[in-house]
Amino acid sequence: EDQVTQSPEALRLQEGESSSLNCSYTVSGLRGLFWYRQDPGKGPEFLFTLYSAGEEKEKERLKATLTKKESFLHITAPKPEDSATYLCAVQGRMDTGRRALTFGSGTRLQVQP
Amino acid sequence: DTGVSQDPRHKITKRGQNVTFRCDPISEHNRLYWYRQTLGQGPEFLTYFQNEAQLEKSRLLSDRFSAERPKGSFSTLEIQRTEQGDSAMYLCASSSPRAGQAYNEQFFGPGTRLTVL
Repeated sequence: EDQVTQSPEALRLQEGESSSLNCSYTVSGLRGLFWYRQDPGKGPEFLFTLYSAGEEKEKERLKATLTKKESFLHITAPKPEDSATYLCAVQGRMDTGRRALTFGSGTRLQVQP
Repeated sequence: DTGVSQDPRHKITKRGQNVTFRCDPISEHNRLYWYRQTLGQGPEFLTYFQNEAQLEKSRLLSDRFSAERPKGSFSTLEIQRTEQGDSAMYLCASSSPRAGQAYNEQFFGPGTRLTVL
Protein backbone atom coordinates (compact mmCIF):
# COMPACT_ATOMS: atom_id res chain seq x y z
CA GLU A 1 0.00 0.00 0.00
CA ASP A 2 1.31 3.43 -0.97
CA GLN A 3 2.14 5.74 1.95
CA VAL A 4 3.09 9.40 2.19
CA THR A 5 4.34 11.18 5.32
CA GLN A 6 4.86 14.93 5.42
CA SER A 7 6.83 16.92 7.97
CA PRO A 8 6.60 19.18 9.77
CA GLU A 9 2.83 19.29 10.30
CA ALA A 10 3.00 23.04 10.75
CA LEU A 11 5.68 25.63 10.12
CA ARG A 12 5.79 29.30 11.01
CA LEU A 13 8.35 31.47 9.22
CA GLN A 14 9.22 35.12 9.18
CA GLU A 15 9.03 36.82 5.81
CA GLY A 16 12.32 36.16 4.01
CA GLU A 17 13.24 33.15 6.18
CA SER A 18 13.92 30.23 3.82
CA SER A 19 13.05 26.65 4.77
CA SER A 20 12.20 23.21 3.41
CA LEU A 21 9.19 20.90 3.67
CA ASN A 22 9.70 17.13 3.60
CA CYS A 23 7.65 14.40 1.92
CA SER A 24 8.68 10.78 2.56
CA TYR A 25 7.00 8.11 0.49
CA THR A 26 6.64 4.36 0.04
CA VAL A 27 5.23 3.26 -3.30
CA SER A 28 5.41 0.22 -5.56
CA GLY A 29 7.10 1.80 -8.54
CA LEU A 30 6.78 5.56 -8.59
CA ARG A 31 4.96 6.91 -11.61
CA GLY A 32 4.85 10.48 -10.35
CA LEU A 33 5.17 12.62 -7.23
CA PHE A 34 2.99 15.71 -7.11
CA TRP A 35 3.03 18.87 -5.02
CA TYR A 36 -0.13 20.89 -4.49
CA ARG A 37 -0.91 24.10 -2.63
CA GLN A 38 -4.26 24.39 -0.81
CA ASP A 39 -5.76 27.56 0.60
CA PRO A 40 -8.44 27.30 3.31
CA GLY A 41 -11.83 26.25 1.93
CA LYS A 42 -10.49 25.69 -1.59
CA GLY A 43 -9.42 22.75 -3.72
CA PRO A 44 -5.74 21.83 -4.13
CA GLU A 45 -3.86 23.84 -6.75
CA PHE A 46 -1.30 21.92 -8.81
CA LEU A 47 2.32 23.05 -8.43
CA PHE A 48 4.80 20.41 -9.67
CA THR A 49 5.23 16.88 -10.96
CA LEU A 50 8.47 14.95 -10.40
CA TYR A 51 8.97 11.45 -11.74
CA SER A 52 12.60 10.44 -11.42
CA ALA A 53 15.23 10.72 -8.71
CA GLY A 54 17.44 13.75 -9.18
CA GLU A 55 14.78 15.77 -10.92
CA GLU A 56 14.16 19.37 -9.84
CA LYS A 57 11.40 21.84 -10.72
CA GLU A 58 11.17 25.55 -9.88
CA LYS A 59 8.40 28.11 -9.80
CA GLU A 60 8.96 31.57 -8.37
CA ARG A 61 10.12 31.07 -4.75
CA LEU A 62 9.44 27.31 -4.76
CA LYS A 63 11.78 24.51 -5.77
CA ALA A 64 10.89 20.82 -5.60
CA THR A 65 13.45 18.02 -5.56
CA LEU A 66 13.14 14.23 -5.59
CA THR A 67 15.18 11.29 -4.31
CA LYS A 68 14.27 7.60 -4.26
CA LYS A 69 12.64 7.91 -0.84
CA GLU A 70 11.63 11.54 -0.36
CA SER A 71 10.91 14.89 -1.90
CA PHE A 72 11.63 18.35 -0.60
CA LEU A 73 9.82 21.60 -1.29
CA HIS A 74 12.27 24.43 -0.73
CA ILE A 75 10.82 27.89 -0.12
CA THR A 76 13.25 30.73 -0.68
CA ALA A 77 12.60 34.15 0.90
CA PRO A 78 8.91 33.43 1.48
CA LYS A 79 6.23 36.11 1.49
CA PRO A 80 2.96 36.19 3.49
CA GLU A 81 1.06 35.19 0.34
CA ASP A 82 2.92 31.85 0.40
CA SER A 83 0.94 30.94 3.53
CA ALA A 84 -1.08 27.81 2.72
CA THR A 85 -1.13 24.04 3.23
CA TYR A 86 1.29 22.22 0.94
CA LEU A 87 0.26 18.70 -0.02
CA CYS A 88 2.42 15.93 -1.44
CA ALA A 89 0.94 12.98 -3.35
CA VAL A 90 2.24 9.91 -5.19
CA GLN A 91 0.92 7.82 -8.03
CA GLY A 92 2.10 4.22 -8.22
CA ARG A 93 2.99 1.80 -10.97
CA MET A 94 1.02 1.82 -14.19
CA ASP A 95 0.57 -1.95 -14.52
CA THR A 96 -1.75 -2.04 -11.53
CA GLY A 97 -4.15 0.18 -13.42
CA ARG A 98 -4.47 2.43 -10.40
CA ARG A 99 -4.87 6.11 -11.12
CA ALA A 100 -5.58 7.25 -7.58
CA LEU A 101 -3.27 9.69 -5.88
CA THR A 102 -2.19 8.92 -2.31
CA PHE A 103 -1.81 12.14 -0.34
CA GLY A 104 0.05 13.06 2.80
CA SER A 105 -1.64 15.11 5.51
CA GLY A 106 0.13 18.27 4.41
CA THR A 107 2.31 20.95 5.96
CA ARG A 108 0.52 24.11 7.10
CA LEU A 109 2.83 27.02 6.37
CA GLN A 110 2.34 30.45 7.91
CA VAL A 111 4.61 33.31 6.82
CA GLN A 112 4.51 36.32 9.07
CA PRO A 113 5.37 39.84 7.80
CA ASP B 1 -13.11 29.88 -16.69
CA THR B 2 -12.12 26.47 -18.07
CA GLY B 3 -11.26 24.81 -14.76
CA VAL B 4 -13.08 22.04 -12.88
CA SER B 5 -16.39 23.24 -11.44
CA GLN B 6 -18.47 21.72 -8.65
CA ASP B 7 -21.99 22.36 -7.48
CA PRO B 8 -23.14 23.12 -4.87
CA ARG B 9 -20.22 24.67 -3.01
CA HIS B 10 -21.87 24.09 0.35
CA LYS B 11 -24.56 21.66 1.47
CA ILE B 12 -26.13 21.31 4.90
CA THR B 13 -28.41 18.34 5.41
CA LYS B 14 -29.98 16.36 8.20
CA ARG B 15 -28.87 12.86 9.05
CA GLY B 16 -30.69 10.28 6.97
CA GLN B 17 -31.29 12.53 3.96
CA ASN B 18 -29.87 11.87 0.50
CA VAL B 19 -27.56 14.37 -1.19
CA THR B 20 -26.17 14.65 -4.72
CA PHE B 21 -23.16 16.61 -5.91
CA ARG B 22 -22.18 17.50 -9.45
CA CYS B 23 -18.76 17.88 -11.06
CA ASP B 24 -17.96 19.34 -14.47
CA PRO B 25 -14.39 18.48 -15.51
CA ILE B 26 -12.08 20.44 -17.78
CA SER B 27 -13.68 19.97 -21.19
CA GLU B 28 -10.98 17.95 -22.95
CA HIS B 29 -10.24 15.69 -19.95
CA ASN B 30 -11.55 12.13 -20.18
CA ARG B 31 -10.53 11.06 -16.65
CA LEU B 32 -12.50 12.15 -13.61
CA TYR B 33 -11.84 11.45 -9.94
CA TRP B 34 -13.69 11.93 -6.65
CA TYR B 35 -11.85 12.46 -3.37
CA ARG B 36 -12.97 13.21 0.19
CA GLN B 37 -11.07 15.45 2.56
CA THR B 38 -11.62 15.93 6.29
CA LEU B 39 -10.13 18.70 8.39
CA GLY B 40 -6.38 18.45 8.80
CA GLN B 41 -6.03 15.53 6.41
CA GLY B 42 -5.05 15.15 2.80
CA PRO B 43 -7.64 14.12 0.20
CA GLU B 44 -8.61 10.43 0.17
CA PHE B 45 -9.46 8.73 -3.10
CA LEU B 46 -13.04 7.54 -3.61
CA THR B 47 -13.51 6.61 -7.26
CA TYR B 48 -12.24 7.14 -10.82
CA PHE B 49 -13.86 7.26 -14.27
CA GLN B 50 -12.34 7.02 -17.70
CA ASN B 51 -14.97 8.39 -20.03
CA GLU B 52 -18.23 6.84 -18.75
CA ALA B 53 -16.62 3.71 -17.26
CA GLN B 54 -16.04 3.55 -13.51
CA LEU B 55 -12.67 1.79 -13.36
CA GLU B 56 -11.58 2.09 -9.76
CA LYS B 57 -13.35 2.32 -6.41
CA SER B 58 -11.90 2.72 -2.93
CA ARG B 59 -13.03 0.58 -0.03
CA LEU B 60 -14.02 3.93 1.50
CA LEU B 61 -16.88 3.99 -0.98
CA SER B 62 -19.57 2.20 1.02
CA ASP B 63 -22.82 0.99 -0.53
CA ARG B 64 -24.44 4.29 0.48
CA PHE B 65 -22.25 6.08 -2.05
CA SER B 66 -22.79 5.91 -5.78
CA ALA B 67 -21.15 7.82 -8.61
CA GLU B 68 -22.07 8.12 -12.26
CA ARG B 69 -20.71 9.71 -15.39
CA PRO B 70 -23.43 8.86 -17.89
CA LYS B 71 -22.13 10.53 -21.03
CA GLY B 72 -18.47 10.75 -20.19
CA SER B 73 -18.75 14.45 -19.38
CA PHE B 74 -20.09 15.63 -16.01
CA SER B 75 -20.30 13.31 -13.00
CA THR B 76 -22.57 13.03 -9.98
CA LEU B 77 -21.82 11.64 -6.53
CA GLU B 78 -24.81 10.61 -4.43
CA ILE B 79 -24.77 9.78 -0.74
CA GLN B 80 -27.84 8.00 0.58
CA ARG B 81 -28.94 8.01 4.22
CA THR B 82 -26.27 10.49 5.23
CA GLU B 83 -24.46 10.08 8.54
CA GLN B 84 -22.59 12.66 10.59
CA GLY B 85 -19.34 10.92 9.64
CA ASP B 86 -19.98 11.86 6.02
CA SER B 87 -19.31 15.52 6.84
CA ALA B 88 -16.30 16.47 4.75
CA MET B 89 -15.14 18.35 1.67
CA TYR B 90 -15.87 16.35 -1.49
CA LEU B 91 -13.37 17.14 -4.22
CA CYS B 92 -13.51 16.38 -7.91
CA ALA B 93 -10.46 16.30 -10.17
CA SER B 94 -9.88 15.66 -13.85
CA SER B 95 -6.92 14.73 -16.01
CA SER B 96 -6.03 13.88 -19.56
CA PRO B 97 -3.57 11.18 -20.70
CA ARG B 98 -0.43 12.38 -22.44
CA ALA B 99 1.12 10.32 -25.18
CA GLY B 100 4.51 9.00 -24.09
CA GLN B 101 4.12 10.19 -20.51
CA ALA B 102 3.96 7.86 -17.53
CA TYR B 103 2.03 10.30 -15.40
CA ASN B 104 -0.65 12.93 -15.70
CA GLU B 105 -1.53 15.75 -13.38
CA GLN B 106 -4.93 15.86 -11.74
CA PHE B 107 -6.55 19.28 -11.55
CA PHE B 108 -8.99 19.86 -8.72
CA GLY B 109 -12.22 21.77 -8.44
CA PRO B 110 -13.17 24.02 -5.50
CA GLY B 111 -14.97 21.22 -3.66
CA THR B 112 -18.39 20.78 -2.06
CA ARG B 113 -18.45 21.21 1.71
CA LEU B 114 -21.00 18.80 3.23
CA THR B 115 -22.26 19.25 6.77
CA VAL B 116 -24.55 16.55 8.18
CA LEU B 117 -26.48 17.66 11.27
